[in-house]
Order: sequence, then structure tokens, then C-alpha cells
Amino acid sequence: AQSVAQPEDQVNVAEGNPLTVKCTYSVSGNPYLFWYVQYPNRGLQFLLKYITGDNLVKGSYGFEAEFNKSQTSFHLKKPSALVSDSALYFCAVGSGGYQKVTFGTGTKLQVIP
Amino acid sequence: NAGVTQTPKFRVLKTGQSMTLLCAQDMNHEYMYWYRQDPGMGLRLIHYSVGEGTTAKGEVPDGYNVSRLKKQNFLLGLESAAPSQTSVYFCASSYLAGASYEQYFGPGTRLTVT
Repeated sequence: AQSVAQPEDQVNVAEGNPLTVKCTYSVSGNPYLFWYVQYPNRGLQFLLKYITGDNLVKGSYGFEAEFNKSQTSFHLKKPSALVSDSALYFCAVGSGGYQKVTFGTGTKLQVIP
Repeated sequence: NAGVTQTPKFRVLKTGQSMTLLCAQDMNHEYMYWYRQDPGMGLRLIHYSVGEGTTAKGEVPDGYNVSRLKKQNFLLGLESAAPSQTSVYFCASSYLAGASYEQYFGPGTRLTVT
């Protein structure tokens, strides 16, 4: 079985400050890790993924995520938050041995002007 | 290139009624998925398809049926709607088989069952 946890229901950050949205995972074997963003009344949009290679992955809109195997984490980061980053963020995990992806419960990011 | 589209966007059903949700993708993707999104529960996989003519059960398949007669379309049916099926339904597709490929999502269908 595989699972993913997003421990924070909501994260508040001031505009211009760095942001972090946390994600931890559990899989058998090597993980495939994803971040998606959902704006109000829209479907999910792919931000970035880690499959193999460099532990720091860069994605859309200036977001990046760091894969940490020892801590089984894949936290989403951005150096300077924008009000337009306010949305719901989902972490997801898959693995080669289990061909489906499991989504976390989502973290609402609120960027305060 | 419309990506993934869903029809309808909103629907209200009475308990016991049936309906079909249509998903269409124009990216020639092999895999297609149906999810439901409920507050505090994230996305849960209902059914998925690995190619034309094939379907498989996901995490929460009870009360739903699916068909994929054409590669670009994936239909989700509710035979006898129940209030517990009130949710937002998302269709998604991915290029190839395997969990390493990102998914492309439709805009969702908001279903209310009274």
C-alpha cells in the first residue's frame, strides 16, 4: 500500500515571504512524487514531479520541491510568495510496483497582501 | 487543443435517478481516470481505464459504472443516485501507463443528490 500525508490543512504566509507546504509519503520501492495546484472551481494542474535524479526539482510558476529519502518527504517551496499563489495544493505519490497514484488531502495556501 | 473536458458542469439529481458524466480528451492519452473530491478527503479514485475497451476498479467503485468505447471518451454512470454521491467529480488522463506520468484534469462536475 502507499500513502501520502499533508499535515497542514492551511498555511498562511505574507506576500514576499518564502513559503513551504509539507508532504510526507510511504511507498514500497522507489517513489514517484507530484505536486498539483487547484484554483477555485477548477481542476488540478500539474506543478512538478520527482522520478529520479536531482533531489531538488523545479516546476511551474517558480515553485520547487525537495525530495528527502531519509525523511520520506517532498516539501513544496517558493522563495517569494505571491497573492496569486493562493490555492489548494495536493501532493501525490506513486510507485512502479503499484500503478496508481495516491493523492493527499490537500493544503490550502493563503498568501496575505 | 481543449485538453480534458467534462459534461455537464453542474447537475442536481433526486435519490434513485440515474445519469452519465462524459469525459473527453484530445491528447491521444492512453490512461483515463475518474475521481471524486470531498472536503477533507482529497481525491479518491473511482474507476480507471488503461486503454480503449478496458476498465478497472479504483478505491471507491461501488455505485458507479464506467465505459470506454472510444479512446478519447470515458463515461461515468450512476445507476441509482444516493445522497452519499454528492461530490465534485474529476476526470483525468495521462499519456502512458504507469505512475510516473503526470495527469491532466478536467474542470470538474459538481453533482448534488437530494
